[in-house]
Parts: sequence; structure tokens; C-alpha cells
Amino acid sequence: KNQVEQSPQSLIILEGKNCTLQCNYTVSPFSNLRWYKQDTGRGPVSLTIMTFSENTKSNGRYTATLDADTKQSSLHITASQLSDSASYICVVRGTGGGNKLTFGTGTQLKVEL
Amino acid sequence: DTEVTQTPKHLVMGMTNKKSLKCEQHMGHRAMYWYKQKAKKPPELMFVYSYEKLSINESVPSRFSPECPNSSLLNLHLHALQPEDSALYLCASSPLPSILDTGELFFGEGSRLTVL
Repeated sequence: KNQVEQSPQSLIILEGKNCTLQCNYTVSPFSNLRWYKQDTGRGPVSLTIMTFSENTKSNGRYTATLDADTKQSSLHITASQLSDSASYICVVRGTGGGNKLTFGTGTQLKVEL
Repeated sequence: DTEVTQTPKHLVMGMTNKKSLKCEQHMGHRAMYWYKQKAKKPPELMFVYSYEKLSINESVPSRFSPECPNSSLLNLHLHALQPEDSALYLCASSPLPSILDTGELFFGEGSRLTVL
């Protein structure tokens, strides 16, 4: 069964600090992996996409990594801001039939003063 | 225009009511989705429409009835719901419902549904 697990479940950090969120998946065959940010009460917004051949990709203060061999991805946030407080969801797409995606359980990040 | 617009933002209904959630996108996307999201949980897929035809129904109870009148609109008709159906209902779209698609979903802001 395709699964995507994220850790930690929740995280509290001080403004200006860095943090790393983890995503482990069993989806196979693998197509791509996306990190979404979801503010409370809003729809998720894509931050970055990682394909099989990519190891690292940055989007501003967000840097995603992918190790397709170990089926792991991470999202590193640098110099956190209060506006980074949100749920971060890892979504993996396989190449199996249909257009189905497997959502991770999410990491709830809170950035405090 | 890169928005997916959902209305209403909030809806409170009784178990005997009939109501509808609406979703609209003008990005030319040919796949549209309904997701249900409970608090602190990831979105759960309900329905997928590809080229205005229902392609996936994730065994959703018949009290939820989707409709895709045209390529820009997606409705979710609600009837005889239960309190446990209270959730955030997210509409999403993607450019192509095929293997060529990168899999990015463009989400609306959701409709917060409360069933009394």
C-alpha cells in the first residue's frame, strides 16, 4: 500500500531559527514529490516539486531534498518567519493508473517570537 | 488568473437540508477534484472529474453528489448529511488528467461546512 509519513507531527521554533521537516514514502513506481504549505483555513499551495533525478531544489528560504534510493525527502526552512506558521504536507505521485496522489499526514509548524 | 474560487466560504446546514458547494476555475484546467479535510488531517480525495466526466469516486456516500456542468465549474450537492460530515471541503484543479501532468494541484480556499 502506498504510504507517505511525515515527521515531526508538530514543531515549535523561534523566529529566525532554521528547521527541517521529513517525509518518507513507499509509493512505487515514483513520479514526483511535492511539498505544499497550508495556512490555517486555506487551501494548500505548492512550494516545490522534486522529480526522480533531482536531489536539491530551492525556493527562496525553502530548500527541498530528495533521496530516491531511500525514498526520503526533507524540507529545510531557513531564517524562519512568523508567516511560516502553517501545515506542511508532502504529496507523492506514482506512475500507476489514474491521477491519484498520496498525501502525507503533515507537519504543523509554529514559529514564535 | 491562477485562482480556484469556492463558494460559500462557510455553510451551516441541518441534516434535512439540501445545499450545494460551488467551485470555479478559469485556468483552462481539464481535471477538477473534491477533497474533504478534517482538522489536523491531510485532505482526502472524494471525486475526480477529467474532461468534465467523473473518473474517480472514492466510495463516497450518495448523500454527496458531484456535478461538472462545464470545464470551468464543479459543484458538490449535499443532502441528508450527518454531523460527522462537518469538515473543510477543498476544490482543486490541475492542467491535465494524464501521466503528462506534473501532478500540481491548485486548491481553492475551501468551504467550511458545519452539519447540525
